[in-house]
Formats: sequence, structure tokens, C-alpha cells
Amino acid sequence: KNEVEQSPQNLTAQEGEFITINCSYSVGISALHWLQQHPGGGIVSLFMLSSGKKKHGRLIATINIQEKHSSLHITASHPRDSAVYICAVGVRYGGATNKLIFGTGTLLAVQP
Amino acid sequence: EAGVAQSPRYKIIEKRQSVAFWCNPISGHATLYWYQQILGQGPKLLIQFQNNGVVDDSQLPKDRFSAERLKGVDSTLKIQPAKLEDSAVYLCASSLFPAHTIYFGEGSWLTVV
Repeated sequence: KNEVEQSPQNLTAQEGEFITINCSYSVGISALHWLQQHPGGGIVSLFMLSSGKKKHGRLIATINIQEKHSSLHITASHPRDSAVYICAVGVRYGGATNKLIFGTGTLLAVQP
Repeated sequence: EAGVAQSPRYKIIEKRQSVAFWCNPISGHATLYWYQQILGQGPKLLIQFQNNGVVDDSQLPKDRFSAERLKGVDSTLKIQPAKLEDSAVYLCASSLFPAHTIYFGEGSWLTVV
């Protein structure tokens, strides 16, 4: 079983729909990252959070530390939101060192 | 603020040849990461530097891969000799310190034929 699980693996939505991507993890974390990767492109950090909720534009990320669960929401989705969304958790080890464990990603396609 | 710079963007080599990738992190970022991302999979950490010291290279195939960050700034990742299964995107990333926001470069796409 992967330490970071995402669902769904694939998601197709119509433009304007409200989208939710989920991430569950099984390890103790220092922070959780939501990343976006467009086809053929690099990876962009959307959020880093360790508690509560963050909002940036149409994107909202929430985390429940007790439940070991995070969600990424996209409101009023647009075709340009089509990308792979990756959940990654920061895990402390070896003192101050921290490493990221990645989920396998959610491929989102928003159709006009 | 300039982002993480990587070169070359694309490289095609024959198996058993060698290749080197270069990364210049965001100025002031002490932590530098090299990841390997095979098509359809998530990134896999190859090596993590803190300044010019290696803090994790447990998944680096040391018989063929090497990396250095001599002055604690830019870094080079080398593969010698390359195998077909090394075909992937090699992503460099940096952060101010571990557990801080991580910034990725555009990646270097390697095809081994």
C-alpha cells in the first residue's frame, strides 16, 4: 500500500463544475504539498499546508491532520485547469532533514 | 525572482553513452533535489543536497549515476553508462530549507535509444 493515496486517478469534468481531488496518507508529516503538472511541463507548487485551509484564486486546499486527509477543490473549473495534480507529503527523518513522498497524481481533464 | 534553471531541456543518446544535466537553483536556496520522473509515474527522489552536502542518496543507482554540488549552488547530475530504462524527465527542485515550499525546474527530458 502506498504511503500517499490519491483519488480519483482520472477525472473528467465540464467547464464550470466544482472539482474535488482527495489525498490520504499513512505517515506522520511535517507538511502537505499540492502540485500541478501540465503535460510536457514542469511542476508548480500550488499549496503547502500543515493545518486548516488555504485559498488562492479558484483553488482551495484543506487538511485534516487527525484524519490524515487533504482535499484540493477547484471552483468554476476551466479547460486551462486540465493537468495532473499531485499530492506530496513532507516527512522528517535524520534530524532536520525532510523528504517528499509523492502520490501517483490525478489526471484532470476539463471539457469546454 | 528567477526560477530553477535546468539544461539541456531535451537530450537523445544511445545506450551506454553518457549524459550530464545541469541545475541552477533559486538564489539562496540551501536545499536542492534531483528527481527522476518516468512517464505516467510520480517523481522519484534521486538525491537531496543541503548546501554542498548529501543528505539522501538512497535511491540513486550509484553504479551509473553521480551528482555533485561543489560550491553549494548549482549542481550536475551525470549518467554513465546510460540504459534504456533511464529514459525519463530529470527534475531539479530547490527550497529555502527542508520542509519549505519547493520550486521545480522545467525538467530535462532524456531519451535513451
